Amino acid sequence: EADIYQTPRYLVIGTGKKITLECSQTMGHDKMYWYQQDPGMELHLIHYSYGVNSTEKGDLSSESTVSRIRTEHFPLTLESARPSHTSQYLCASSAGTGVAGELFFGEGSRLTVL
Amino acid sequence: KNEVEQSPQNLTAQEGEFITINCSYSVGISALHWLQQHPGGGIVSLFMLSSGKKKHGRLIATINIQEKHSSLHITASHPRDSAVYICAVRSLRGGGADGLTFGKGTHLIIQP
Repeated sequence: EADIYQTPRYLVIGTGKKITLECSQTMGHDKMYWYQQDPGMELHLIHYSYGVNSTEKGDLSSESTVSRIRTEHFPLTLESARPSHTSQYLCASSAGTGVAGELFFGEGSRLTVL
Repeated sequence: KNEVEQSPQNLTAQEGEFITINCSYSVGISALHWLQQHPGGGIVSLFMLSSGKKKHGRLIATINIQEKHSSLHITASHPRDSAVYICAVRSLRGGGADGLTFGKGTHLIIQP
């Protein structure tokens, strides 16, 4: 069983609110990722981190920001949510590439912005 | 065109049937992942492979590097196998997040 956790699982908020999606893993993985997934569509990378104080934007442009102050914690923040941000956000981690590249995913955070 | 193509997109079968889901990709890869996503949204890693074949319980994954093709098989399918199965490849050229690219998934429904 994967030790990676996301909160909240579901969030419904109004436009303009600031939100933070939490992601924590207890496996000591250096690599962490945030993906955005719309219904019936593939996962798109929005942010990733290869370790503490390392963050990069992914392939899909996103107005969200991330931070990596501790190895186990990789929160995602939207300063001012809009209806276009309505989606599912999935956090993942891995120990590395090659044989250590197995991916572990959280349960996802389903965000609805009214 | 997506670098990772899965077929079929949707599959409905009866309990007990042998299931095959296909994944074709267009780039050189270092590894291929098969993932399972249940209706609640969480994703579980089923296999990570770079050559040959792997088996876990009723699930079998194969990959042909020369043909850039992988298959996921489910033997003696059961309604609890109903989920979306996602193929993802780790590109040799690297890039953001180790060059992972995901397919759109195959939505599998197993009817009792």
